[in-house]
Amino acid sequence: AAGVIQSPRHLIKEKRETATLKCYPIPRHDTVYWYQQGPGQDPQFLISFYEKMQSDKGSIPDRFSAQQFSDYHSELNMSSLELGDSALYFCASSPRQGTYEQYFGPGTRLTVT
Amino acid sequence: DQQVKQNSPSLSVQEGRISILNCDYTNSMFDYFLWYKKYPAEGPTFLISISSIKDKNEDGRFTVFLNKSAKHLSLHIVPSQPGDSAVYFCAASSGDKLTFGTGTRLAVRP
Repeated sequence: AAGVIQSPRHLIKEKRETATLKCYPIPRHDTVYWYQQGPGQDPQFLISFYEKMQSDKGSIPDRFSAQQFSDYHSELNMSSLELGDSALYFCASSPRQGTYEQYFGPGTRLTVT
Repeated sequence: DQQVKQNSPSLSVQEGRISILNCDYTNSMFDYFLWYKKYPAEGPTFLISISSIKDKNEDGRFTVFLNKSAKHLSLHIVPSQPGDSAVYFCAASSGDKLTFGTGTRLAVRP
């Protein structure tokens, strides 16, 4: 079965640079979620989108923005990168808003040097 | 403020025996609970879930129990298999957001 696709899988950036992470949800899933998992921590919710509109927001820094496109894929844009942004970034999708089961992608490991 | 807690960071179980992973939560607004399994360098894999209106849900070798009055849930795996060795996260849902516990590393010994 098709799964959530994230690209790139690994990304190395320097401080103050920008990064763009992409997420392609499972076909027919219209809700996308972004999570950040720091070293030794549990995943923390950042933001979610339903039908291309932001539906919920968590602890996402102002330096980060995200959007969902007409084909339901989503991009997380991160600017003025800091060392503390180094983490695993997971995207998850679900078939409709209000469905509780979220299916996660393999993650993008971002390293900021 | 950790709203979802897994107090056992690790658990070791003999193959064929039962694995019991525990999770406590503090927010009474959570209305759905999920268990995920995670291998290194992979995303969390959904295992099983339970609505707050139920106290038990079973799927094959996996059973989740919810004690709403105690704000406690547990995942039972029986019989445990070496392939079950991974980190298990419980998660609680309020709206879109999943709040995860800190994880329990399960090791199933052959």
